[in-house]
Amino acid sequence: DSGVTQTPKHLITATGQRVTLRCSPRSGDLSVYWYQQSLDQGLQFLIQYYNGEERAKGNILERFSAQQFPDLHSELNLSSLELGDSALYFCASSLHPRLDGTDTQYFGPGTRLTVL
Amino acid sequence: GESVGLHLPTLSVQEGDNSIINCAYSNSASDYFIWYKQESGKGPQFIIDIRSNMDKRQGQRVTVLLNKTVKHLSLQIAATQPGDSAVYFCAENSNYQLIWGAGTKLIIKP
Repeated sequence: DSGVTQTPKHLITATGQRVTLRCSPRSGDLSVYWYQQSLDQGLQFLIQYYNGEERAKGNILERFSAQQFPDLHSELNLSSLELGDSALYFCASSLHPRLDGTDTQYFGPGTRLTVL
Repeated sequence: GESVGLHLPTLSVQEGDNSIINCAYSNSASDYFIWYKQESGKGPQFIIDIRSNMDKRQGQRVTVLLNKTVKHLSLQIAATQPGDSAVYFCAENSNYQLIWGAGTKLIIKP
């Protein structure tokens, strides 16, 4: 158990809908990352927050947004869902981005999103 | 563009043998590399890391080798066990982002 929690575990919805995925980082971790993993694919970095502020952005669609709250939990909002958005969405956390770049991330169990 | 990739998508190894998973990277400026293991239905789990000022680092049953000349990274697993079955990802840490390889699926034959 990494200490990172994600809810819900599974989510089934229809095209055009909007969903919110939630992540609670490990106790003490200030940075949260979101990733998308499609079937049998690698991890695609979406976005990173550090202490409530957006720190880095990856391949995140405009239909997707995220935020990190004062209690450090994070939510990923996916709107106008398409079939191709079906994937595993992982959240990871780390203590803080280190100046030397060594930043071990601890991953949650993921949320499996199915868009029908 | 910058990328981290893997040579083999699937690797089958006899139980008890050593496994070697390879990874190529293209950004010669990257100075930190990580291996993650992802078991079925779970999130990736940190295995071992290495800085670019090192050529080799050992953990428990795992060794990571870094060849900066050819920009190659490998993960060696000694005495492979059924519990080692997973997808293994290499990643480079660049500017607070992890750039991930495609992953190699390790299959253990009994």
